[in-house]
Amino acid sequence: QKEVEQDPGPLSVPEGAIVSLNCTYSNSAFQYFMWYRQYSRKGPELLMYTYSSGNKEDGRFTAQVDKSSKYISLFIRDSQPSDSATYLCAMGGNDYKLSFGAGTTVTVRA
Amino acid sequence: DVKVTQSSRYLVKRTGEKVFLECVQDMDHENMFWYRQDPGLGLRLIYFSYDVKMKEKGDIPEGYSVSREKKERFSLILESASTNQTSMYLCASSLAGGRNQPQHFGDGTRLSIL
Repeated sequence: QKEVEQDPGPLSVPEGAIVSLNCTYSNSAFQYFMWYRQYSRKGPELLMYTYSSGNKEDGRFTAQVDKSSKYISLFIRDSQPSDSATYLCAMGGNDYKLSFGAGTTVTVRA
Repeated sequence: DVKVTQSSRYLVKRTGEKVFLECVQDMDHENMFWYRQDPGLGLRLIYFSYDVKMKEKGDIPEGYSVSREKKERFSLILESASTNQTSMYLCASSLAGGRNQPQHFGDGTRLSIL
């Protein structure tokens, strides 16, 4: 079993829809949770960084962490074609290593 | 903004060649990382370095080595390239500190071994 599980999709939504992305994990030592966006032929770009359980909002993006269920989510409101990308979840404990999900490919149709 | 620069975007090499991938960061980060990214497998850590001349093996170090002579530069070396090392290679850097800092990535080197 992988340490971090992420549904690979692909996910296709119409413009303006809410995009919901999820990851589950098995390591209870994880405390730091990140979401990265990766456009085709580019490196991952940090979108959200959260610590411990709860919600964090940044513009159209909301990250949720539920440590009791070992489950994290990213919501994108009012999705735009420019949001079409692969989204990676990442998480780590009290060292500098991260474990990544395999990524979910999202297409927002105009 | 953090800038992580990888020297080549695309590289084609032959089996058995020694291959060097270079990475430079401009934010004085202590930690630097090399990953490979393959479809369905996500990012897998090859090596990381937490200081100049210091390195630690990641999850898949076999067939690779690294060099960190200066704080801003981290090189990945394929000692004798093989076709199963065809992949996207990503370099990243992060601050040191008591908690897990986010990593910042370069745009990758797509390496093909023929």
